[in-house]
Amino acid sequence: NAGVTQTPKFQVLKTGQSMTLQCAQDMNHEYMSWYRQDPGMGLRLIHYSVGAGITDQGEVPNGYNVSRSTTEDFPLRLLSAAPSQTSVYFCASIHRRTGGANTGELFFGEGSRLTVL
Amino acid sequence: AQSVTQLGSHVSVSEGALVLLRCNYSSSVPPYLFWYVQYPNQGLQLLLKYTSAATLVKGINGFEAEFKKSETSFHLTKPSAHMSDAAEYFCAVSNTANNAGNMLTFGGGTRLMVKP
Repeated sequence: NAGVTQTPKFQVLKTGQSMTLQCAQDMNHEYMSWYRQDPGMGLRLIHYSVGAGITDQGEVPNGYNVSRSTTEDFPLRLLSAAPSQTSVYFCASIHRRTGGANTGELFFGEGSRLTVL
Repeated sequence: AQSVTQLGSHVSVSEGALVLLRCNYSSSVPPYLFWYVQYPNQGLQLLLKYTSAATLVKGINGFEAEFKKSETSFHLTKPSAHMSDAAEYFCAVSNTANNAGNMLTFGGGTRLMVKP
């Protein structure tokens, strides 16, 4: 049971380049999300999806795009990378509750460390 | 709106000593609270959670946390630290207002160092 798989684990970009961080989960979770982790700031939500074909913005969405064409996959795209996007990115998923709060466990990938020069 | 504050970005204890990691939250409605642990170069793992049942919650690896509504706190404790407890710990909150996406709001994290 692989859980949440992120690729690549490490990436170095130059300013202005584009790239896609891949995320796949095999737990049939409806809800998937992307967080970025920066020192002293914890994890901040970038985008999330409550099901195939549905995405929405989180706390820090600028500079990132997402799509959700299947339940399994939730790629994060950087169209024009900036040094401010140097960070560690985590994808996470959970079985979605129909309304109400999240009382369950988010399953995280191992992270993708991105450096933008 | 909701927020989480973790007091102390770094905590250092000796092996065998008490571990206390502090978390205070703000929430407009009754919260659900979580502690996650992150070992080096890994993703986050759930340590324990409070979802309005018992206010003292026991988690994995001997950790526990107590929900204190009057103090808006959810501090994490362990009676005796092991070297293997060295990691970064995150407190997180969600509430019924977040039904749009099961969103968690995370604190800034506390790095626990254990000295031999």
